[in-house]
Amino acid sequence: AQKITQTQPGMFVQEKEAVTLDCTYDTSDQSYGLFWYKQPSSGEMIFLIYQGSYDEQNATEGRYSLNFQKARKSANLVISASQLGDSAMYFCAMREPLRGGATNKLIFGTGTLLAVQP
Amino acid sequence: EAQVTQNPRYLITVTGKKLTVTCSQNMNHEYMSWYRQDPGLGLRQIYYSMNVEVTDKGDVPEGYKVSRKEKRNFPLILESPSPNQTSLYFCASHPSAGVRTGELFFGEGSRLTVL
Repeated sequence: AQKITQTQPGMFVQEKEAVTLDCTYDTSDQSYGLFWYKQPSSGEMIFLIYQGSYDEQNATEGRYSLNFQKARKSANLVISASQLGDSAMYFCAMREPLRGGATNKLIFGTGTLLAVQP
Repeated sequence: EAQVTQNPRYLITVTGKKLTVTCSQNMNHEYMSWYRQDPGLGLRQIYYSMNVEVTDKGDVPEGYKVSRKEKRNFPLILESPSPNQTSLYFCASHPSAGVRTGELFFGEGSRLTVL
């Protein structure tokens, strides 16, 4: 069964420093997608970054990058130059493969609560 | 503005009193789904719909019903709410399977408390 594991319930980082949020996944499929979402205290889910299993380059979106290590089945999120507004819950998620009849369901990890300190 | 709209955003109700959480999207997406978020469990899919009149169970469907009579709307129905359905609920939509990233577009969430 597919599974996402986030082993860090909470983390602190100093403002302007980089931080890595860990995510490992388990799947027997060759085609899959990996996502990171941010959930601030207001509750909405904000899409940050996507990595396809066949993408050769690590995904980057502004200050966010995804350190994709396929052999290790890890998809860590790196936030560079942390800002106070980065304080939030972060969820790693995996999409079931897009094949006929697929639900397009996302399987989520339990999240990491990041606190950025001034 | 492209968006997924849920209502109500906050609701306190009592056990057994039927309620409906509405969800509407204006992006003409085929896929819609409902998730619930609970502490320590992340988000789990309740029901999903691949198109009008096509719905199916997700991972935690017990106690919920859905319908998809129109493409834009996907209401979540709790026929007889119980305290274990106290949760934060998200509606999400997504275009057809041909889109590369598969990003889900989430509503703002509905916080439900069942007393």
